[in-house]
Amino acid sequence: QVQLVESGGGLVKPGGSLRLSCAASGFSFSDYYMSWIRQAPGKGLEWVSHISTSTSYTSYADSVKGRFTISRDNAKNSLYLQMNSLRAEDTAIYYCASLGYCGSTNCRVGEFEYWGQGTVVTVSS
Amino acid sequence: QSALTQPASVSGSPGQAITISCTGTSSDVGSNNVVSWYQQHPGKAPKLMIYEGSKRPSGVSNRLSGSKSGNTASLTISGLQAEDEADYYCCSYAVGSPVVFGGGTRLTVL
Repeated sequence: QVQLVESGGGLVKPGGSLRLSCAASGFSFSDYYMSWIRQAPGKGLEWVSHISTSTSYTSYADSVKGRFTISRDNAKNSLYLQMNSLRAEDTAIYYCASLGYCGSTNCRVGEFEYWGQGTVVTVSS
Repeated sequence: QSALTQPASVSGSPGQAITISCTGTSSDVGSNNVVSWYQQHPGKAPKLMIYEGSKRPSGVSNRLSGSKSGNTASLTISGLQAEDEADYYCCSYAVGSPVVFGGGTRLTVL
């Protein structure tokens, strides 16, 4: 059974930092691109960042570039998001999601198949 | 990174069919980008409903179908049921480009 469990959210002051974690189980984590997606209160989905299987490739939304860093530890089946210089507009539910399989024989990347339940980040003074 | 354009809301009666459009540009939906669709019920995480424009994951009802014409992708739900009432999001992905979501469409089953 596939599980993605996010943690690390909470209340932080503007300019502060948080590190989100996502623990994966039930699938071959190291063979999947992974991503963070967020949803501000009452708003739609916003892609934040994604990372390739071997960490060689990362991509960020313009709104977080230079402030957020995505990383993964395949040995621990874990995904991370280091968030620095947080702003009020970063307040959202942050979801961890898989972005597709890329193994030794085939690669299909492009849809968010597995999702966690999200962790809430609130940036407020 | 402009969001894809979706209608804010659509509605239909049980048993009817509805279509949700997702309009992008020749650089995203209109190109070889991978288009997917997600359903989100209130307070829940999104769920993948359509991938690669028209394919359904295992377990997703065959009442849902996806298509694309030019710069517009579409999600059609036939035989509307009460459980279909939710928010729906389209998404476009391409290697080396930012991922873009639509603004979301609230489906109301009357």
